[in-house]
Amino acid sequence: DQQVKQNSPSLSVQEGRISILNCDYTNSMFDYFLWYKKYPAEGPTFLISISSIKDKNEDGRFTVFLNKSAKHLSLHIVPSQPGDSAVYFCAAFFGANSKLTFGKGITLSVRP
Amino acid sequence: NAGVTQTPKFQVLKTGQSMTLQCAQDMNHNSMYWYRQDPGMGLRLIYYSASEGTTDKGEVPNGYNVSRLNKREFSLRLESAAPSQTSVYFCASSDSAARPQHFGDGTRLSIL
Repeated sequence: DQQVKQNSPSLSVQEGRISILNCDYTNSMFDYFLWYKKYPAEGPTFLISISSIKDKNEDGRFTVFLNKSAKHLSLHIVPSQPGDSAVYFCAAFFGANSKLTFGKGITLSVRP
Repeated sequence: NAGVTQTPKFQVLKTGQSMTLQCAQDMNHNSMYWYRQDPGMGLRLIYYSASEGTTDKGEVPNGYNVSRLNKREFSLRLESAAPSQTSVYFCASSDSAARPQHFGDGTRLSIL
């Protein structure tokens, strides 16, 4: 049973426009969510996170929104840049459990 | 600053051979993790070590063993490699469950 779902495998946007990457989860125990970015032949790197006590967290061009009632979070990138082209993973965990559960990832392509 | 270092970067094995993947971190992190990434599957946790001296199974531990040699090093061993273990393996570390994980650049393993 997949607890973290990224249902769209890919997304293509024009440079300068907004990218919206979606993630859904099924485990209501999750209380901390993270987004990772991965370039080819490199390991994932941490991008931004949000605690379940918040509904929004911003870091520069990146904003994560959390809707607990819908068990849904989204990553907004504004404005999108060609260097943002990568695979983005959504991940979640809860409490003292140190195990992250990852989604399958979404490939973002930003067209110049 | 190296962060998380994995060796080797590439390896080709024959079915039935054994191999140990090495991982070392220089961030004084307590927790370390081994993941595998397969196409369309995201990152799946194989084993983790919440602290020095402890190891626990993750989502896909069969066919693998681990050793937390000291606080810096966490190795992953394939005793009898099988083609189903062809994958990209990532090691990660974190200060605690509430902190983002830092990943190495991966080991690309092919088993013929």
